Amino acid sequence: RKEVEQDPGPFNVPEGATVAFNCTYSNSASQSFFWYRQDCRKEPKLLMSVYSSGNEDGRFTAQLNRASQYISLLIRDSKLSDSATYLCVVIVGSQGNLIFGKGTKLSVKP
Amino acid sequence: DGGITQSPKYLFRKEGQNVTLSCEQNLNHDAMYWYRQDPGQGLRLIYYSQIVNDFQKGDIAEGYSVSREKKESFPLTVTSAQKNPTAFYLCASMRGVNTEAFFGQGTRLTVV
Repeated sequence: RKEVEQDPGPFNVPEGATVAFNCTYSNSASQSFFWYRQDCRKEPKLLMSVYSSGNEDGRFTAQLNRASQYISLLIRDSKLSDSATYLCVVIVGSQGNLIFGKGTKLSVKP
Repeated sequence: DGGITQSPKYLFRKEGQNVTLSCEQNLNHDAMYWYRQDPGQGLRLIYYSQIVNDFQKGDIAEGYSVSREKKESFPLTVTSAQKNPTAFYLCASMRGVNTEAFFGQGTRLTVV
């Protein structure tokens, strides 16, 4: 089983749609969780951290389920500018090593 | 403004050449990382450094070397031993364990 798994997509959705991504991780000792956004041929940029209590930032909501070892990202009212690849990132170990999923590609259409 | 700067943005290497990719940060972060990204692949860890004058191999260190003589700088050398170096190279830094990583803009290396 891969350490961090994501559905690669692509997810093709119309503007205004709600879309959800899931990510599963294999190491139960994983400590911190993040969602990053990566535009084509650019560096990843932090979208949001993921907390056990769940957290929301505008149209974006992230959830963590430690028991089932998955995290999720919900995007409401999708915009054209949301089109990107979304990377799930997990921190494992005392040295803080980041483990990246391969990313889920989102394409929002007019 | 604080951040991470990678240079050059594009780099072309001839077969058998060593090339060095620069990564500089002014965020006062202790930890720095080098990743490689291939099309359709996730980021794979090449080397990382938690402190000056110390660094550790990542998952794909063969054919690469690094140094960490200053806190701000973590250059990566792609040696001729790396048989398939064409990729997008990303440098990152972190303030501490369990904090988010900040990335440079990346260097796109092509073998010609």
